[in-house]
Amino acid sequence: AQSVTQPDIHITVSEGASLELRCNYSYGATPYLFWYVQSPGQGLQLLLKYFSGDTLVQGIKGFEAEFKRSQSSFNLRKPSVHWSDAAEYFCAVGAGRDDKIIFGKGTRLHILP
Amino acid sequence: DGGITQSPKYLFRKEGQNVTLSCEQNLNHDAMYWYRQDPGQGLRLIYYSQIVNDFQKGDIAEGYSVSREKKESFPLTVTSAQKNPTAFYLCASLPQGQFYGYTFGSGTRLTVV
Repeated sequence: AQSVTQPDIHITVSEGASLELRCNYSYGATPYLFWYVQSPGQGLQLLLKYFSGDTLVQGIKGFEAEFKRSQSSFNLRKPSVHWSDAAEYFCAVGAGRDDKIIFGKGTRLHILP
Repeated sequence: DGGITQSPKYLFRKEGQNVTLSCEQNLNHDAMYWYRQDPGQGLRLIYYSQIVNDFQKGDIAEGYSVSREKKESFPLTVTSAQKNPTAFYLCASLPQGQFYGYTFGSGTRLTVV
């Protein structure tokens, strides 16, 4: 069965610093991988996705993620964070065939001024 | 603009009452999903439907019911059998296949009073 682990519940970075949020997945074949962002009291917005091809994918708001099959990881990165990036971030994995997508428990990002 | 509309945004329920959360989409998506979100728990799948007049239980279906009479609509009823219904409920939709990822509504916060 698919599963997703986000090891960090909270992450705090200073504005302008670089960011990396970790995500590890468990799935036998090549998964469909997603990163979503959620502002308080809102729904989730898709940041980026990976299915195949180039293992470094670019998303919206200056985010990127790298798929590493050998490490079963799909970490999210941003070179310089802005105060508006403070939110909760969810990594998700899908098997493709049955359309269910499994979510990690999320990482809450705090930004120091 | 196409999207998913969840209503109401806030809902209060007395113990022992059933309440229905609305989810409507005009994206012409085939599949629709209901998730429950609790702090630190991530998103847990309640029910999903891939075609009209058909739906499947997710991981935490007990105490909930759904219907899918129209492609555009997937209402969720929280019954009195759900012992801890206070949560944030998210509706999502997906076109056929997972390539585009979910589109989410803005959520309904249900509180038992």
